[in-house]
Amino acid sequence: QSALTQPPSASGSPGQSVTISCTGTSSDVGGYNYVSWYQQHPGKAPKLMIYEVSKRPSGVPDRFSGSKSGNTASLTVSGLQAEDEADYYCSSYAGSNNFDVVFGGGTKLTVL
Amino acid sequence: EVQLVESGGGLVQPGGSLRLSCAASGFTFSSYWMHWVRQAPGKGLVWVSRINSDGSSTSYADSVKGRFTISRDNAKNTLYLQMNSLRAEDTAVYYCARDDDFGIFDYWGQGTLVTVSS
Repeated sequence: QSALTQPPSASGSPGQSVTISCTGTSSDVGGYNYVSWYQQHPGKAPKLMIYEVSKRPSGVPDRFSGSKSGNTASLTVSGLQAEDEADYYCSSYAGSNNFDVVFGGGTKLTVL
Repeated sequence: EVQLVESGGGLVQPGGSLRLSCAASGFTFSSYWMHWVRQAPGKGLVWVSRINSDGSSTSYADSVKGRFTISRDNAKNTLYLQMNSLRAEDTAVYYCARDDDFGIFDYWGQGTLVTVSS
């Protein structure tokens, strides 16, 4: 049961766009369209930002978008704002016979 | 308003036991699968365990299989995690999370800290 692979860090200036990748296998990311992205500020609980690869929950700004190609999913944050600085985690459904959910190791997004 | 409130964390010696609870409100608890996710200090999120809506099916991460037991009481709207044979590497903040479908965690609790140390 291996974690999904994310870059440990990413950064961008206010107003810029940044993309965070999340690489898995055909047993998780590549096998299901159930990739989610979570934002976590220090000392806080994670917050769902993207689900089912590219859908946004109510209240999440449309600056946040998701996509997937093969075994790699991506989160793009456009028009970076100071409050976007946080840790971001991807996750994927991995099948109920195969350890339901696997997370990525997390990416620290810094707004310069 | 959906709320998940964890409790039961604390300091425990290696080899000891602890039971975490997650009180749910604001939604029909018995209709949702529920999960436990943990986060060691300064580390990432790690999925721990899942239980289906009526409690008849469970699954566990390899690292806790045979030591942890997830359960629920739908009459009390409460999720549990019984943790036995605790190890130092179990030290983490433990979150309960609601599964909207296929591992989409749409609501999380605030977390409860478990520290395993002598």
